[in-house]
Amino acid sequence: DIVMTQSPDSLAVSLGERATINCKSSQSVFYSSNNKNYLTWYQQRPGQPPKLLIYWASTRESGVPDRFSGSGSGTDFTLTISSLQAEDVAVYYCQQHYSTPYTFGQGTKLEI
Amino acid sequence: QVQLVESGGGVVQPGRSLRLSCAASGFTFSSYGMHWVRQAPGKGLEWVALIWYEGSNDGGNKYYADSVKGRFTISRDSSKNTLYLQMNSLRAEDTAVYYCVRELDAYSGYVPLDHWGQGTLVTVSS
Repeated sequence: DIVMTQSPDSLAVSLGERATINCKSSQSVFYSSNNKNYLTWYQQRPGQPPKLLIYWASTRESGVPDRFSGSGSGTDFTLTISSLQAEDVAVYYCQQHYSTPYTFGQGTKLEI
Repeated sequence: QVQLVESGGGVVQPGRSLRLSCAASGFTFSSYGMHWVRQAPGKGLEWVALIWYEGSNDGGNKYYADSVKGRFTISRDSSKNTLYLQMNSLRAEDTAVYYCVRELDAYSGYVPLDHWGQGTLVTVSS
């Protein structure tokens, strides 16, 4: 199984400042035949189901503010929020869908 | 719009069985791979099971997390637009909110998960 490890476990950032969350996979999730990284980021606000944010490592889902961006390839990935807003308080998860089981990272709790 | 509504959760004793249902609407259910993902109270997300779209080369193949393999069975009834999770030999560690989730793209595999239900709580306790 591919193990996904996020860092840090929790993060406090001031409003308007940058937040950076890292995700590392135990093996590459890059598929060379289509040049895609099988890595997705989700946001889960308190009391809500998760919401798709970024997929294929760097493609923003429709409706997601452009302050959210994803980067990385192979085994190392980053979710960046360029200017933190109050509504961004949530837990963020990365997930690989390169192979079953589709494993999640442990989550990163983002606070103001 | 896409809607996924889970039902069937509740309190059940260890060793007993429970069947969850997920009523899907707003899209062509048979064309999408579907998943169950769970979240224990105060914990992170755990992927549970996947069933491929109908007509795939995998022919509706099913995949499971090691933690539930042999105890849980995922299935679908496209005539009813419903996804199921049959859970047998339940354990305390199966206590969680169970989410029904749709894949982003039709007729695909190994793609992100885009639509999530609100979840149904399963509590395994004597």
